[in-house]
Amino acid sequence: DAKTTQPNSMESNEEEPVHLPCNHSTISGTDYIHWYRQLPSQGPEYVIHGLTSNVNNRMASLAIAEDRKSSTLILHRATLRDAAVYYCILRENRDDKIIFGKGTRLHILP
Amino acid sequence: NAGVTQTPKFRVLKTGQSMTLLCAQDMNHEYMYWYRQDPGMGLRLIHYSVGEGTTAKGEVPDGYNVSRLKKQNFLLGLESAAPSQTSVYFCASSYLQRNTEAFFGQGTRLTVV
Repeated sequence: DAKTTQPNSMESNEEEPVHLPCNHSTISGTDYIHWYRQLPSQGPEYVIHGLTSNVNNRMASLAIAEDRKSSTLILHRATLRDAAVYYCILRENRDDKIIFGKGTRLHILP
Repeated sequence: NAGVTQTPKFRVLKTGQSMTLLCAQDMNHEYMYWYRQDPGMGLRLIHYSVGEGTTAKGEVPDGYNVSRLKKQNFLLGLESAAPSQTSVYFCASSYLQRNTEAFFGQGTRLTVV
């Protein structure tokens, strides 16, 4: 089973920030938190990852709770192109597998 | 640098036929993965490999076999296709370090009739 929990779907207005939550209460100290997204009819693509500190890149920001049991992917200014399924995944040191959950389907309203 | 390439992109099989899906990566990645994705669902791991000559079962391995004779290639075989194996298949590869990203292919859409 996936080690993360995400809402099934979310909606946001275009050009507004979006906060996508993820719970990972069983995370261990060396597990990395990764986010991927899957645009319609495409393979998943990497968005961002982090361990303990908040992370920023050109696509998004990742805010990690102090106890690491939850994280939030932040899209600062959503566009229609950001409509996708977003997956929060743990890459665990004790496990070679990459397991996907159901993800969050993000709808962007024009 | 092509990344992860899957062959073929589309295929229609009759029940009972066999076929092999090829995944090739040119990034010298140690890890490779095969997933299937059914309509409206997330990706489920079929088999994976942590290096040349090694394979391991994922979440849904039944009905599939894999081989990794060369580091850059990961083959997924269906010996006797069934309609339940109609799906989109994705391959991925990554370095072994957990702080690196995985790269995915564009998928193979397989229909078994």
